[in-house]
Amino acid sequence: SFELTQPPSVSASPGQTARITCSGDALSNQYAYWYQQKPGQAPVLVIYKDSERPPGIPERYSGSTSGTTVTLTISGVQAEDEADYYCQSADSSGTYVFGTGTTVTVL
Amino acid sequence: QVQLVQSGAEVKKPGASVKVSCKASGYTFNKYGISWVRQAPGQGLEWVGWIGTSNGDTKYAEKFQGRVTMTTDTSRSTAYMDLTSLRSDDTAMYFCARRSLDHWGQGTLVTVSS
Repeated sequence: SFELTQPPSVSASPGQTARITCSGDALSNQYAYWYQQKPGQAPVLVIYKDSERPPGIPERYSGSTSGTTVTLTISGVQAEDEADYYCQSADSSGTYVFGTGTTVTVL
Repeated sequence: QVQLVQSGAEVKKPGASVKVSCKASGYTFNKYGISWVRQAPGQGLEWVGWIGTSNGDTKYAEKFQGRVTMTTDTSRSTAYMDLTSLRSDDTAMYFCARRSLDHWGQGTLVTVSS
């Protein structure tokens, strides 16, 4: 199976931009998805198919891709954005893999 | 609205089996598969597998092959995950979600302890 690598932590002050990267060879030809998880809660999908935003997700969340790296950007970070974030993708056989996870801290 | 409601917490002894249920509502059950994901205490998300609700096709993560069985009861709009030969490192929160991971259940804590 393949691997997806994320930085363990990212921090930003309120109003600044937080960027979380996710790297893996499979990302060059497979979509990436991003999930937000707050303590004691189930994950929430915030970006699908690299850059699409589900209904109800604030516009400050955006996704982009370049080669084997995808990036989740939170523009104008707010205190409520403090959470763990996971990328996820799948290979052509339908095997899913999650990234290692990134904790976003709002300073 | 889409809802996935899971069964309650379980405490099992090593070597036992556990069956977790996931009841769906708010959408046509057999139009979306069901995925299962687990999270050990303080750890990241780990994909367990998925099941197609229209045809029963399954795909399991390699590490769970032979120990996990996923089934559905379309008459009850309910999916099940059966995990056998439990070990202490199977202690985790188990989540069900639609196969596309766009809607998640609340999680079921499975504790394996002697």
